[in-house]
Amino acid sequence: GESVGLHLPTLSVQEGDNSIINCAYSNSASDYFIWYKQESGKGPQFIIDIRSNMDKRQGQRVTVLLNKTVKHLSLQIAATQPGDSAVYFCAERGNAGNMLTFGGGTRLMVKP
Amino acid sequence: DGGITQSPKYLFRKEGQNVTLSCEQNLNHDAMYWYRQDPGQGLRLIYYSQIVNDFQKGDIAEGYSVSREKKESFPLTVTSAQKNPTAFYLCASSRPRASNSYNEQFFGPGTRLTVL
Repeated sequence: GESVGLHLPTLSVQEGDNSIINCAYSNSASDYFIWYKQESGKGPQFIIDIRSNMDKRQGQRVTVLLNKTVKHLSLQIAATQPGDSAVYFCAERGNAGNMLTFGGGTRLMVKP
Repeated sequence: DGGITQSPKYLFRKEGQNVTLSCEQNLNHDAMYWYRQDPGQGLRLIYYSQIVNDFQKGDIAEGYSVSREKKESFPLTVTSAQKNPTAFYLCASSRPRASNSYNEQFFGPGTRLTVL
């Protein structure tokens, strides 16, 4: 498959461990945030989202934390599996329309 | 199955030629978007359309054109004016922005364009 990012920051974790992927966002007026997962050569897939009036939201094996004070977003993946290996992007929505601004991405590599 | 389709998956073009990338969705979404992705970078917005017969430039619209004649379709033309067109192109769609709602963008599988 095609690589979606050759020079991305990389997080390498052991299978079964928890992963934490971090993202700094830029717009203090952003009201909605999303994490996407992108496998090589494919389009991004939605993982989890959160509105700015919340600081935590949980899904299946994933948790998103939002710290508006320092404009920081994190994605926690519990019991990381080989199928979690991908590039993860955070995205923020500003205060008009539904356009998203994407972060640069982090590559997660899961070691068996 | 509901979703977004993009065609073709791989596209090759000679320098100086225009090429049109297809994007179709059957999710009944009003808004559609085109992004460009280069290696080592995130997604950059080329054009977006919030409703039929209306579209707006994104951050990197130069050298690109779009049309939105039908709700389901948002084709992107990469013109010969685009200086560095080789990239991975992604189409997305979403419901309109609404207060107190989660309305993520859904992405297609992408088209990889290579200029020879």
